[in-house]
Amino acid sequence: GENVEQHPSTLSVQEGDSAVIKCTYSDSASNYFPWYKQELGKGPQLIIDIRSNVGEKKDQRIAVTLNKTAKHFSLHITETQPEDSAVYFCAASITGNQFYFGTGTSLTVIP
Amino acid sequence: NAGVTQTPKFRVLKTGQSMTLLCAQDMNHEYMYWYRQDPGMGLRLIHYSVGEGTTAKGEVPDGYNVSRLKKQNFLLGLESAAPSQTSVYFCASSPGGALEAFFGQGTRLTVV
Repeated sequence: GENVEQHPSTLSVQEGDSAVIKCTYSDSASNYFPWYKQELGKGPQLIIDIRSNVGEKKDQRIAVTLNKTAKHFSLHITETQPEDSAVYFCAASITGNQFYFGTGTSLTVIP
Repeated sequence: NAGVTQTPKFRVLKTGQSMTLLCAQDMNHEYMYWYRQDPGMGLRLIHYSVGEGTTAKGEVPDGYNVSRLKKQNFLLGLESAAPSQTSVYFCASSPGGALEAFFGQGTRLTVV
């Protein structure tokens, strides 16, 4: 099956700075890459996703980039705010039937 | 719009006891999933279903059984609970075809 690695496991940034989380995947057939945000005591919630026919996607302060050749994708959060503090998960899917998740990044934004 | 609802939210079991976790979705999604979340290990797929009456094994299926008798419900059963099954369990549903998966709020299970 697919293997997704995520780094770093923890990340602290000052409010207003940027945060970058990186993931790699093993199966070149993966074609869908969602990012989820999990707040304390809640289930993960989709924040952005990208498909393999697109190299970059932006949504306000959040962007995701995909490098199919290197098999890695990254989440970029600009102008971070305290409410961005959460655990972020990347995932990869080949068929849409199964999602393989990374191990998560705990982001802390320091006011 | 309730989305994905999990029952119960918390449970403590003794080793060897059995229980069933219920997941219900009101979005008419074909695909449903059960994950477990453990510290430092992310979300690992236990079982999933691609439609009513179907089930399939995920990454960590041992010790669990599932059923999808109705499209809106996906049940996860533990026949003989073990301390290694102490975890937070999440149910999710998706329309399929590489579209967004929606998660429930989770069930925190402790096996003593």
